[in-house]
Amino acid sequence: DTAVSQTPKYLVTQMGNDKSIKCEQNLGHDTMYWYKQDSKKFLKIMFSYNNKELIINETVPNRFSPKSPDKAHLNLHINSLELGDSAVYFCASSQEGIQETQYFGPGTRLLVL
Amino acid sequence: QKEVEQNSGPLSVPEGAIASLNCTYSDRGSQSFFWYRQYSGKSPELIMSIYSNGDKEDGRFTAQLNKASQYVSLLIRDSQPSDSATYLCAVNPVLYSGYSTLTFGKGTMLLVSP
Repeated sequence: DTAVSQTPKYLVTQMGNDKSIKCEQNLGHDTMYWYKQDSKKFLKIMFSYNNKELIINETVPNRFSPKSPDKAHLNLHINSLELGDSAVYFCASSQEGIQETQYFGPGTRLLVL
Repeated sequence: QKEVEQNSGPLSVPEGAIASLNCTYSDRGSQSFFWYRQYSGKSPELIMSIYSNGDKEDGRFTAQLNKASQYVSLLIRDSQPSDSATYLCAVNPVLYSGYSTLTFGKGTMLLVSP
């Protein structure tokens, strides 16, 4: 009965490849997010979707393309992977509203070689 | 640039002591404040949220907010070795009206020694 799940958990790939990370939440939340946590553990928001619509895009390179087929799913596709993309990517979800708690998935550890 | 500042630590305290974690933020209009705990290799989990000035207590945890000073803190009483983790302060700035978007600090590592 995992609340926010991500696949895969680990992803090792070569520079230049294209990869996708999937996220699903079963909490009935309206809003989903992608965060990037770099090697210094700094957690920074990348995207936010509310009811399948993009509401936040924090100046992320356009090699990153989120897609939300429905409000329970938010996937992240990355084109032409670069070394600097190596990080842990967390998906999160919340109800709509500025006081709502965000619940995080387990993370996807991406290593670009 | 909206910023959230935390001392990176590590903050070392003996078991049973009070751990005090501090955070300052730059956006004066921020309305919601959260403390998340992150164990090594795990995802962040919510410890406390606070929205108005003053103290909010939940078990061994107390969050304190002072909007005039743009300061939020987390006190952990009777610290346990299991509290050893990185504590992330997160602030919801007034950027996207009505939507929750969090700006995180870089976290303070807490080490509780038995």
